[in-house]
Amino acid sequence: QVQLVESGGGVVQPGGSLRLSCAASGFVFSGYGMNWVRQAPGKGLEWVAFIRDDGTYRCYADSVKGRFTISRDNSRNTLYLQMNSLRPEDMAVYYCAKKEPGPSPIIDYWGQGTLVTVSS
Amino acid sequence: DVVMTQSPLSLPVTLGQPASISCRSSQSLVHSDGNTYLNWFQQRPGQSPRRLISKVSNRDSGVPDRFSGSGSGTDFTLTISRVEAEDVGVVYYCMQGTHWPPITFGQGTRLEIK
Repeated sequence: QVQLVESGGGVVQPGGSLRLSCAASGFVFSGYGMNWVRQAPGKGLEWVAFIRDDGTYRCYADSVKGRFTISRDNSRNTLYLQMNSLRPEDMAVYYCAKKEPGPSPIIDYWGQGTLVTVSS
Repeated sequence: DVVMTQSPLSLPVTLGQPASISCRSSQSLVHSDGNTYLNWFQQRPGQSPRRLISKVSNRDSGVPDRFSGSGSGTDFTLTISRVEAEDVGVVYYCMQGTHWPPITFGQGTRLEIK
């Protein structure tokens, strides 16, 4: 079955950097686009970024554009999110999420999430 | 950006009775391929979201048949035919993937006991 396991969360100061990873298994990772979605404490879901199956196309939410970079290593079945210039409002649980088959990046499976805390 | 508006944000329910959550989009979610990319997710406290319904009305494997999705265009509904205790205290989200980026979510609706 599909498994998505995030790691790399932690406490970072404002202005700092962090790299999240998501190890995928149970499906052909190289055949699916992937998303990052975040959820601030007690808040709703916010889409962050998407990357196509072959990594040739990426897109970002306006709130993170220019600061976050989504990437993937299909040989390692791993998705990444490099987060730079972190702000207090970036504090959230970050989920990696697999897209459904088809032209839409809409999500079918989610990981368990990793918590990013931005605080001095 | 497509704005997804859920209502109500908090829904008082009675066990054994039906419950419905509305999700409205700021533009039609019909894709050029003819599909409507509108999913419903359930999120229990402390857990990640779980997909219940895909493309408006397709229930996922293992999802109880008391859950159903309906709608078209800009108006969509998640219906629970008979609310059970395990459905309460849980947040339900709609999500669209027709017009992107960005993918957008509704604000979430929490079911609570009346």
